[in-house]
Formats: sequence, structure tokens, C-alpha cells
Amino acid sequence: EDQVTQSPEALRLQEGESSSLNCSYTVSGLRGLFWYRQDPGKGPEFLFTLYSAGEEKEKERLKATLTKKESFLHITAPKPEDSATYLCAGRGGATNKLIFGTGTLLAVQP
Amino acid sequence: DTGVSQDPRHKITKRGQNVTFRCDPISEHNRLYWYRQTLGQGPEFLTYFQNEAQLEKSRLLSDRFSAERPKGSFSTLEIQRTEQGDSAMYLCASSQTEYTEAFFGQGTRLTVV
Repeated sequence: EDQVTQSPEALRLQEGESSSLNCSYTVSGLRGLFWYRQDPGKGPEFLFTLYSAGEEKEKERLKATLTKKESFLHITAPKPEDSATYLCAGRGGATNKLIFGTGTLLAVQP
Repeated sequence: DTGVSQDPRHKITKRGQNVTFRCDPISEHNRLYWYRQTLGQGPEFLTYFQNEAQLEKSRLLSDRFSAERPKGSFSTLEIQRTEQGDSAMYLCASSQTEYTEAFFGQGTRLTVV
């Protein structure tokens, strides 16, 4: 069964303390690995798409990387406004639906 | 382009009542998805359209749930005879193709009392 697993479930950082979030996937015929940010009570906001192992994407303090088994979201020198839930999703299977992990709740303290 | 629009944003209903949600995708996006999300969980796939054709429906979706996308434009999701377990955030997303990123609306928060 296709599955996406994220770790840790929750992460608390001090402002400026860099870290990484992990997304492990077993999705048949993976056709893209997607990262989203979700604020409380709102819909997920698209961040990155990665299509092949070795690919990297960057946006401000965030960098996403992809291997054949997992993806990482690196957060460099985070700020309190980076606090949110970060969701990872793999697209694959017969109909290319997005399969989500349960997310990592990130809290950045000033 | 104003993004994916969902209506209503919040809905409180009594158990046993029927509810209908609407989703307007980004124009010219062929793919439209419905997801359900409960607190502390990731979005759970419900169903998916390519234009007006419903291509897949989750096995988790009971017969009380139905979705339509007439003319390949907006979509509606109806829940009949609501139960307390239906309380969740219902999310709609659209994408231009089957390979590109999906953009989500702000969701409809359903509370069944």
C-alpha cells in the first residue's frame, strides 16, 4: 500500500536554530514529491515539487531535497513566522492522486 | 486568478441532516480533488475528477457521500444523513495536469452536533 510517513510529529526550535524535517515514502510509480505549509484553520499552501532523486529546490529559508526513499525539508535560521504544520505528499498510483503524510508541527520560539 | 474558492467556510449541522459544499477551482485546471482532514492528521483522499469525469472514489467514502463536477467547472460534495464522525475540514484542490502541483482552497469546516 502506498504510504507517506513524516517525522518528527512535532519540533520546537529556537529562532535561528536550523533543523530538518523528514518524509519517507513508498509510493508506486512516484510522479512527484510535494511539500506544503499549513497554518491553523487554513488550507495547505504549496511550497515545492521534486520529481527526481538528487533534485533540490529552495525558497527563502527552506530547502527541499529528494532521494529514492525520502525527502528532507531543511530550515535554515528559522523565524517565528515559519511556525506551521509542514505536509509532505507523494503523487503516484494509477490515478496520480496525492498521498499525504500526517505532517510535522513546527514551533519556532523567539 | 483568485485561487481555489470553497463555500461555505464553516457549516454547523444537526446529525441526520444533509449538507452540500461547493468548490470553484482555478480556471483551466482540469483536475479537481476532494480531501478530508481531521485534527492532527494529514489530508485524506476522498475523490478526484478529470474535467467532469469522476475517476476515483476512496474506499473509505460511504454511500452517504456523493460528488459531482457538472461541465467540468465547479464541484459539489454532498453528505447525506450526517453523523458526528463526519465532522472535519473538507478541502478542495485543483491542478492543471495530472503531474503538476495541486493548489488548495481554504476548506469548509463541518461540525455535526
